[in-house]
Amino acid sequence: GQNIDQPTEMTATEGAIVQINCTYQTSGFNGLFWYQQHAGEAPTFLSYNVLDGLEEKGRFSSFLSRSKGYSYLLLKELQMKDSASYLCAVRDSNYQLIWGAGTKLIIKP
Amino acid sequence: DAMVIQNPRYQVTQFGKPVTLSCSQTLNHNVMYWYQQKSSQAPKLLFHYYDKDFNNEADTPDNFQSRRPNTSFCFLDIRSPGLGDAAMYLCATSRDSGDSSYEQYFGPGTRLTVT
Repeated sequence: GQNIDQPTEMTATEGAIVQINCTYQTSGFNGLFWYQQHAGEAPTFLSYNVLDGLEEKGRFSSFLSRSKGYSYLLLKELQMKDSASYLCAVRDSNYQLIWGAGTKLIIKP
Repeated sequence: DAMVIQNPRYQVTQFGKPVTLSCSQTLNHNVMYWYQQKSSQAPKLLFHYYDKDFNNEADTPDNFQSRRPNTSFCFLDIRSPGLGDAAMYLCATSRDSGDSSYEQYFGPGTRLTVT
């Protein structure tokens, strides 16, 4: 079967750095997405990786290793508004998105 | 602003009473999706349309139906809602399911309560 694993919950301090990991086992790979979802709201797109390496976008970076079936989302200079769930999703060989359950990130002052 | 709109934002229906959720988009995307998301769970794909081609996920219950009368609009019909159908229903669009880089744009969701 297809599977996306992420930690259920993480806690970090305002101003710090946090890394959210995602491991995947899917039938084929056509890219990995990270989405942010605030409580009660829709997911919003953060990043896309299809080649190995690091993609940087402001305070957020995303890393991919296809050989290891692994990605992480790195959030720097954490702000209270970054409190949200972060969902990892992989596009499989049929171009369907397989979603993880998300990591709830709690930011403390 | 180009966007995905869902109405209503909150819907309360009675057990067994049919309900329709609507989604519209001004992005002119050819692919539209309906997801069901329960608390702290991954979004679960119910259907998607590639233009007018309808694609039903294998494990989507028959109780759920969908219509896409034109590019801009898509509807989710729940024929006989059960208590287990209470969830957030998310509509999303993307430009082309054949290009892996295109992200999905989500509407704000409709939270369905079944009493």
